[in-house]
Amino acid sequence: KQEVTQIPAALSVPEGENLVLNCSFTDSAIYNLQWFRQDPGKGLTSLLLIQSSQREQTSGRLNASLDKSSGRSTLYIAASQPGDSATYLCAVRPRGGSNYKLTFGKGTLLTVNP
Amino acid sequence: EPEVTQTPSHQVTQMGQEVILRCVPISNHLYFYWYRQILGQKVEFLVSFYNNEISEKSEIFDDQFSVERPDGSNFTLKIRSTKLEDSAMYFCASSAADTPSNTEAFFGQGTRLTVV
Repeated sequence: KQEVTQIPAALSVPEGENLVLNCSFTDSAIYNLQWFRQDPGKGLTSLLLIQSSQREQTSGRLNASLDKSSGRSTLYIAASQPGDSATYLCAVRPRGGSNYKLTFGKGTLLTVNP
Repeated sequence: EPEVTQTPSHQVTQMGQEVILRCVPISNHLYFYWYRQILGQKVEFLVSFYNNEISEKSEIFDDQFSVERPDGSNFTLKIRSTKLEDSAMYFCASSAADTPSNTEAFFGQGTRLTVV
């Protein structure tokens, strides 16, 4: 059974710092991996999608990498801003079954202090 | 930008009552999902729906739950007899009919269900 773990559970950084969020998954048989942002009490906003054949994806100040064989992904946020404060969720789409469901980690709560 | 919309944003119901959560997926998407997030826990998959039938469901999705696409735009989740442990944020999501590798799921803002 696929398990997704995110470390650290919480992270507090000063504004302007570059930071890395980590995600690991137990089964490398995945189709893709998605990073989401969740603001308190709100929905999930898709940030980046990395297909299993890709190594990284970039969007603005965000860069996500994927090492499928070792079951790891990282989300790099450059020049962090207070508006980046949120919970960041990692989710994988496992092979098998309907092939379309996502398995989520518990998230990393990021606080960027002005 | 197209988005998934959910109503209501918050629903309070008495234990044993039926509730219906409503979603309008992105218009050209063909795959629809319900997930839930109990406070402080992971987002959990409940059910996926394609071509007017359930394509996969989790062990959480027992016979108290049902889904329906009553018309061309709405997608609903019904809980027949709510329990206290059904209290959670329920998310609807949709995705286009791409290959599994490039399928990207888009989520709504959620309905917070409180069972009292």
